Amino acid sequence: DIQMTQSPSSLSASVGDRVTITCRASQDIRNDLGWYHQKPGKAPKRLIYGASSLQSGAPSRFSGSGSGTEFTLTISSLQPEDFATYYCLQYNAYPFTFGQGTKLEIK
Amino acid sequence: EVQMVESGGTLVQPGGSLRVSCVASGFIFSTSEVNWFRQAPGKGPEWVSRISSDGSDKRYADSVRGRFSISRDNSKNSLYLQMNSLRVEDTAVYYCVRRGCWGQGTLVTVSS
Repeated sequence: DIQMTQSPSSLSASVGDRVTITCRASQDIRNDLGWYHQKPGKAPKRLIYGASSLQSGAPSRFSGSGSGTEFTLTISSLQPEDFATYYCLQYNAYPFTFGQGTKLEIK
Repeated sequence: EVQMVESGGTLVQPGGSLRVSCVASGFIFSTSEVNWFRQAPGKGPEWVSRISSDGSDKRYADSVRGRFSISRDNSKNSLYLQMNSLRVEDTAVYYCVRRGCWGQGTLVTVSS
């Protein structure tokens, strides 16, 4: 199975900050990676697919980069509604696997 | 607008069986592969199973292989997950997913 190592596991930041979350794959997954955020009691919502393509309806302050084994999600200017848990998901090979999650909290 | 609506979740005893369903709309269901994911309380999401557009190819997570079976009825725009030999650790919200679009989920609780 492909292991996805996500960091950091938690992050404290302020409205307006720029934040970066990283996922590392245990083997080459090309660009078969998505980023999701999730609020308590809600389904995960995809922000990025194909490592760098913005999901329709997602705010442009979210961006993704990387390919192969190293991937990054950047939020350019944090908004109050962005405080949530973030996950990466690889869909290059079965079983699809998630990173452990990053809980983004208000400082 | 793409929509996935799950149903069928309930309380079931260990060793029991349950089928959960999903009705899709807003896209051509018969040409899309679809997946089941789940999320246990307080845990991250987990991929469970995937089925090809015509139902001929099915994949499963190791944790459910041999106990769960995915199927679809393209005439009804519906996806199913038959769950047998349920365990306490199968307790989760089950989601059907197509291309990053998730339903609201249906809660399956396995407990005596």
